[in-house]
Amino acid sequence: ETGVTQSPTHLIKTRGQQVTLRCSSQSGHNTVSWYQQALGQGPQFIFQYYREEENGRGNFPPRFSGLQFPNYSSELNVNALELDDSALYLCASSADSTTSFGYTFGSGTRLTVV
Amino acid sequence: DQQVKQNSPSLSVQEGRISILNCDYTNSMFDYFLWYKKYPAEGPTFLISISSIKDKNEDGRFTVFLNKSAKHLSLHIVPSQPGDSAVYFCAAIGLNNAGNMLTFGGGTRLMVKP
Repeated sequence: ETGVTQSPTHLIKTRGQQVTLRCSSQSGHNTVSWYQQALGQGPQFIFQYYREEENGRGNFPPRFSGLQFPNYSSELNVNALELDDSALYLCASSADSTTSFGYTFGSGTRLTVV
Repeated sequence: DQQVKQNSPSLSVQEGRISILNCDYTNSMFDYFLWYKKYPAEGPTFLISISSIKDKNEDGRFTVFLNKSAKHLSLHIVPSQPGDSAVYFCAAIGLNNAGNMLTFGGGTRLMVKP
């Protein structure tokens, strides 16, 4: 049974650019959530996808968007990058959209915006 | 508006002694509380949870206590081991939230000295 895999592990982008982060869910999981963890803070919920549909969204602007594919892998896209977008981005998958107890987190992508 | 707070950014404990990590919350609609443990370069891993209708849950060396009237919970680790050194996040969830988002505290870095 494989875990949650995120790519890339590290990324440096320039302010104003666009970035795509990728996540492969754990086998058998149909729900994926994305979190942003700024330095020294706890993770903050961005959004969740269940069977390719957005199933909830946190307090993030529309330039944060996502996709979930038929194989339940997922992408997080961020447009018009700002310096404050520098953070660790965590993906978590679960087999059930109704509870967070079965969450398996990936190791994250560290994004630096310069 | 931080709904979940961990007021101690760090805690240092001697091996074999008790570690007590604290967490406060403001939203009385939270149904479950969870503790996650995070090592560097890894994603958070689920440790233990407690329902809002209980006041204690125990799993081996880990016990979580919930005081609803004070909106306070704590994680006790007895005895502490050097391998417990990590960042611990308290998180809360309201089961009627869209997307079942986890609301995290800012984390407490626990250092267990041999």
